Amino acid sequence: ETGVTQSPTHLIKTRGQQVTLRCSSQSGHNTVSWYQQALGQGPQFIFQYYREEENGRGNFPPRFSGLQFPNYSSELNVNALELDDSALYLCASSLVGGTGSGNTIYFGEGSWLTVV
Amino acid sequence: GENVEQHPSTLSVQEGDSAVIKCTYSDSASNYFPWYKQELGKRPQLIIDIRSNVGEKKDQRIAVTLNKTAKHFSLHITETQPEDSAVYFCAASIVSGGYQKVTFGTGTKLQVIP
Repeated sequence: ETGVTQSPTHLIKTRGQQVTLRCSSQSGHNTVSWYQQALGQGPQFIFQYYREEENGRGNFPPRFSGLQFPNYSSELNVNALELDDSALYLCASSLVGGTGSGNTIYFGEGSWLTVV
Repeated sequence: GENVEQHPSTLSVQEGDSAVIKCTYSDSASNYFPWYKQELGKRPQLIIDIRSNVGEKKDQRIAVTLNKTAKHFSLHITETQPEDSAVYFCAASIVSGGYQKVTFGTGTKLQVIP
């Protein structure tokens, strides 16, 4: 087990609706990142939160937004859901600080989102 | 941005044989290269990783090699077992200050035939 927990595990939404996914990072980690994994593809980087601020974003539109809280837990919000948003959403936590080589990231079990 | 290519997309081997998966990356600033195993319906699980100051790393039946000059890295699984069957993803990571972005390859579906 990685210590990264996500909720809900599965949900179904209607096109145009909004969804909030939640993540609790592993104890001691200060960074949370979110990934979208469509069926049969690799995870795609959405964004990363470090010290409660978004400090990196992949190629996703502004309707994908998030928050990181003082306890390093995080939310991913998606507005105006589209059918193509159907995917597994993975939260990953890591301990990042200063420069240097990369740090191990650990994934949660994911939230399966189906948009109908 | 970083681009990671992974080959092959599918790989079938007989139990006991070796499997090799190869990846290339584009950004020479990448300095951390994890490999993940993902079983159907499950989260990606880290199986081994290598940092840019190391050329090779081994953990039991799994080994990873890194050639920074050529910007490619490979996963080697020896004495494959049916439970090794899964999708494997390579990834390249860039760290800058408090920011770490991980770019994944497209995955290799490994089937180990008993």
